[in-house]
Amino acid sequence: AQKVTQAQTEISVVEKEDVTLDCVYETRDTTYYLFWYKQPPSGELVFLIRRNSFDEQNEISGRYSWNFQKSTSSFNFTITASQVVDSAVYFCALSGVFGGATNKLIFGTGTLLAVQP
Amino acid sequence: DSGVTQTPKHLITATGQRVTLRCSPRSGDLSVYWYQQSLDQGLQFLIQYYNGEERAKGNILERFSAQQFPDLHSELNLSSLELGDSALYFCASSPRDVQYEQYFGPGTRLTVT
Repeated sequence: AQKVTQAQTEISVVEKEDVTLDCVYETRDTTYYLFWYKQPPSGELVFLIRRNSFDEQNEISGRYSWNFQKSTSSFNFTITASQVVDSAVYFCALSGVFGGATNKLIFGTGTLLAVQP
Repeated sequence: DSGVTQTPKHLITATGQRVTLRCSPRSGDLSVYWYQQSLDQGLQFLIQYYNGEERAKGNILERFSAQQFPDLHSELNLSSLELGDSALYFCASSPRDVQYEQYFGPGTRLTVT
């Protein structure tokens, strides 16, 4: 079955600390895509990154970085020098061809990150 | 701003009623997806349309239906509403299929009283 697990329900850090959000996935597909979305208190879902299953290169974008490891089925997200504006719920998601031409996103349960000033 | 618009932003209605949620995808996007976010179920995929045709169905109740019109906007119809249907309903769009990221609208918060 396709599944995304975000074991960390809530994380609280103090501003300027680094924080890593964990994501573990399960899929039978050989071609699949992994995503991170941010949901700030205002409620919208903001796209952060997409990775395909053939590209295991880590990615860095400013204070954000992502570590994709196929061997452990993990796609972790690190925020360096966290800021109060990073406070949000972060969702990891998986999509692929699940026995047909569909690309629904399977979401994890989300990690609530609270950055204290 | 993702470029995906949803109306209305908030909706309060009574049990047994019917409502219609509307979504306009980003310019050029052919796929529209509907998701429901509730405290019990988290974020769940409901249904996908691609260029007017239904493409995939998720955990969508029979009381719910959707369609995508020739101008590519989509509507989600919820009928015989129950208290448990109270949730945030998101629409997302993408250019085509699985290899593209989905951009989400701001959501419609439905409250059933």
